[in-house]
Amino acid sequence: KQEVTQIPAALSVPEGENLVLNCSFTDSAIYNLQWFRQDPGKGLTSLLLIQSSQREQTSGRLNASLDKSSGRSTLYIAASQPGDSATYLCALPTQGGSEKLVFGKGTKLTVNP
Amino acid sequence: DVKVTQSSRYLVKRTGEKVFLECVQDMDHENMFWYRQDPGLGLRLIYFSYDVKMKEKGDIPEGYSVSREKKERFSLILESASTNQTSMYLCASSLRGQIEAFFGQGTRLTVV
Repeated sequence: KQEVTQIPAALSVPEGENLVLNCSFTDSAIYNLQWFRQDPGKGLTSLLLIQSSQREQTSGRLNASLDKSSGRSTLYIAASQPGDSATYLCALPTQGGSEKLVFGKGTKLTVNP
Repeated sequence: DVKVTQSSRYLVKRTGEKVFLECVQDMDHENMFWYRQDPGLGLRLIYFSYDVKMKEKGDIPEGYSVSREKKERFSLILESASTNQTSMYLCASSLRGQIEAFFGQGTRLTVV
């Protein structure tokens, strides 16, 4: 059964800093991986989807990478801003080509002005 | 843009009540999901539907049922609400064969 771990659980940085959020998974036979953002009391907003054939995906100041062999994905946020403060979650298929997702517990990011 | 709409942002219900949570998506997605999210436990799948009238239990289906009579609408039913069902409930949808999921804004349910 796929297990997803996100470390650290919380991270606080000063504005302008570049930062990396980590996502580890146990079953590398995955087809893709999705990163989400969640603001307090709200639903999840999709940030990036990485297909298994890709190693990276970029959107604005965000860059997500996928290394299946090591069971790891990272979300890089450049020049962080207070508006980036949120919880970031990664999600993967429960197994193989499943359409059901299993989620990490997230990293709560605080960017201080 | 895909839109997934949950009928309520906040609900307060009494123990023993029958509770309906409604979710509608406008992108003709085959797959729809109900999750609950609790501090320290993360998101857990309650039920999954892959087509009209088709459903599959998730990790924590006990105390819940679902209904999908139309493709765009997926309802979560708490047959007899209990205080341990106080939680944030999240609905999502995706295309068949795809994992890219789109979420609603969530329903914060409090059972008193």
